[in-house]
Amino acid sequence: GENVEQHPSTLSVQEGDSAVIKCTYSDSASNYFPWYKQELGKRPQLIIDIRSNVGEKKDQRIAVTLNKTAKHFSLHITETQPEDSAVYFCAASKRKSKLIFGTGTLLAVQP
Amino acid sequence: DAGITQSPRYKITETGRQVTLMCHQTWSHSYMFWYRQDLGHGLRLIYYSAAADITDKGEVPDGYVVSRSKTENFPLTLESATRSQTSVYFCASSEEDTQYFGPGTRLTVL
Repeated sequence: GENVEQHPSTLSVQEGDSAVIKCTYSDSASNYFPWYKQELGKRPQLIIDIRSNVGEKKDQRIAVTLNKTAKHFSLHITETQPEDSAVYFCAASKRKSKLIFGTGTLLAVQP
Repeated sequence: DAGITQSPRYKITETGRQVTLMCHQTWSHSYMFWYRQDLGHGLRLIYYSAAADITDKGEVPDGYVVSRSKTENFPLTLESATRSQTSVYFCASSEEDTQYFGPGTRLTVL
């Protein structure tokens, strides 16, 4: 069935360093790839998304890249700050269909 | 985010009792979803709805019932709660691809 694998499960970086989280999806028909950030005790919130007709998208310190051939997509956070500490989830879906989530990455930014 | 609410926010119940979790959205989004979140499993889809009176199973539907008589409401019922249903439950809604999540309900089944 449809599956999204996410790595690593935990990631610790020093403040100011970059962080990269990678996801692989199984359904080649997937065309929408969002990333959610979830702070402790809070709801998941969308931070960036990308569609299959785009290879890269940036929004200030965060960027997402997509490799459709390899069915990989990645989240890149530059100049990390302590407030970036959270759990990050990737997901994949076909248009207007249900999201399949990865199992999450706990990012800890050490001051 | 204020457009999607869940109630109650916290609930403690006993095994075998029926529990209903409520979800309400003010955006008139067509799609609504219920997820459960457990450590090590991320967000797993329980049920979803594409419109009023249209519902479909997700990844983990057993033990749950949903209904959607009005576009803005999507209640989730645990007909006979079990300890394995202790979890945090999130409702979400969308019109296109982007899903917006409610604040969650933390359910404990004793």
